[in-house]
Amino acid sequence: DAKTTQPTSMDCAEGRAANLPCNHSTISGNEYVYWYRQIHSQGPQYIIHGLKNNETNEMASLIITEDRKSSTLILPHATLRDTAVYYCIVRVAYTNAGKSTFGDGTTLTVKP
Amino acid sequence: DAGVTQSPTHLIKTRGQHVTLRCSPISGHKSVSWYQQVLGQGPQFIFQYYEKEERGRGNFPDRFSARQFPNYSSELNVNALLLGDSALYLCASSYVVGSVQPQHFGDGTRLSIL
Repeated sequence: DAKTTQPTSMDCAEGRAANLPCNHSTISGNEYVYWYRQIHSQGPQYIIHGLKNNETNEMASLIITEDRKSSTLILPHATLRDTAVYYCIVRVAYTNAGKSTFGDGTTLTVKP
Repeated sequence: DAGVTQSPTHLIKTRGQHVTLRCSPISGHKSVSWYQQVLGQGPQFIFQYYEKEERGRGNFPDRFSARQFPNYSSELNVNALLLGDSALYLCASSYVVGSVQPQHFGDGTRLSIL
């Protein structure tokens, strides 16, 4: 699975959009991008995933660049409850759904 | 629907003891994976089980073992506990091994070694 690089920490004002970047420059054509977040003392929570098209669900939007070397997770209206560590993971499609390689993630702090 | 459930939520052991952690996957999920998360780091893959067979193993010593039962629940066993085994142990389930669908995690067992 490709390696990902994320900033260590970011701040965001409450009510504003939070844009979390992830670099995956060695991604291959059959690798999907997954995002999870982990709120203190809880397990990682799945947010969204995508291959090459932009994706949106009730939690967030995922924007993947045309060359697929980077992506951005967007939380459109951040709240204090969105304060968490956000992990970007890349995994080969249709293989080994049970193994995810986590980095150290981005600690997002939403401030009032 | 119930999510991934793990027990116990917290556990305190001393060095040299052994421990058994338990996990029940989401209903219908046949694959269970275990992760270790040390404070300040991301989760590290330990094992994956599917249809009661080990399908993957991370870089952990033989003191770590696991098994999966016919109802797809799973146990993680750790023998001869070391101080460095103190961590949050996470269980995750997914429907099958080869799938685009994501894993879903439980809230973990916090293991403290004294």
